[in-house]
Amino acid sequence: QVQLVQSGAEVKKPGSSLKVSCKASGGTFSSYGISWVRQAPGQGLEWMGGIIPIFGTTNYAQKFQGRVTITADESTSTAYMELSSLRSEDTAVYYCARQRSVGSFFDYWGQGTLVTVSS
Amino acid sequence: DIQMTQSPSTLSASVGDRVTITCRASQSISSWLAWYQQKPGKAPKLLIYKASTLESGVPSRFSGSGSGTEFTLIISSLQPDDFATYYCQQYNSYSPTFGQGTKVEIK
Repeated sequence: QVQLVQSGAEVKKPGSSLKVSCKASGGTFSSYGISWVRQAPGQGLEWMGGIIPIFGTTNYAQKFQGRVTITADESTSTAYMELSSLRSEDTAVYYCARQRSVGSFFDYWGQGTLVTVSS
Repeated sequence: DIQMTQSPSTLSASVGDRVTITCRASQSISSWLAWYQQKPGKAPKLLIYKASTLESGVPSRFSGSGSGTEFTLIISSLQPDDFATYYCQQYNSYSPTFGQGTKVEIK
């Protein structure tokens, strides 16, 4: 059974950076896409970007271009999402999610990581 | 980006009711549409992909239809476990986008 396990909750100061991890087990990590989706309190789902580990190719939502970096370590089956220049509006639950094929829907999700940005 | 619009935003229904949720795309997405269910404090769960294909393990009371720009999720007989928020998501482009969600509440 595929599992995505994310790192724990974080509290960050405005202007700082954030790095969240997502460790996959039970499947072939490199062959699928891994994306990051966030959800602000009481709001909907927002795709931030994704990576195809086997190719190392990334694709980011225009809104986050220049501020987000997604990487993957095939040796540990772990994906990472780094977000810089944090502001209060970045307070959200961040999810990693596996795409069954490149550019497709999300069939497995991590448990979510709550990130609070506050001075 | 392709915009996805769901209606209604909130829906009040009773156990046993037939529930219909609509999702409209700002341009044609063929059948590249998925539906998710999300309960408070939990990650979304995939219900349907390619507009009408039921994900393994999802009860058959859920069904999806549509193509192009208009899509529908139907719950044929609402069960207590189905009270949740539902999202559509297009994957026609390399920038997937979600609808704003439809909350199904107890009437």
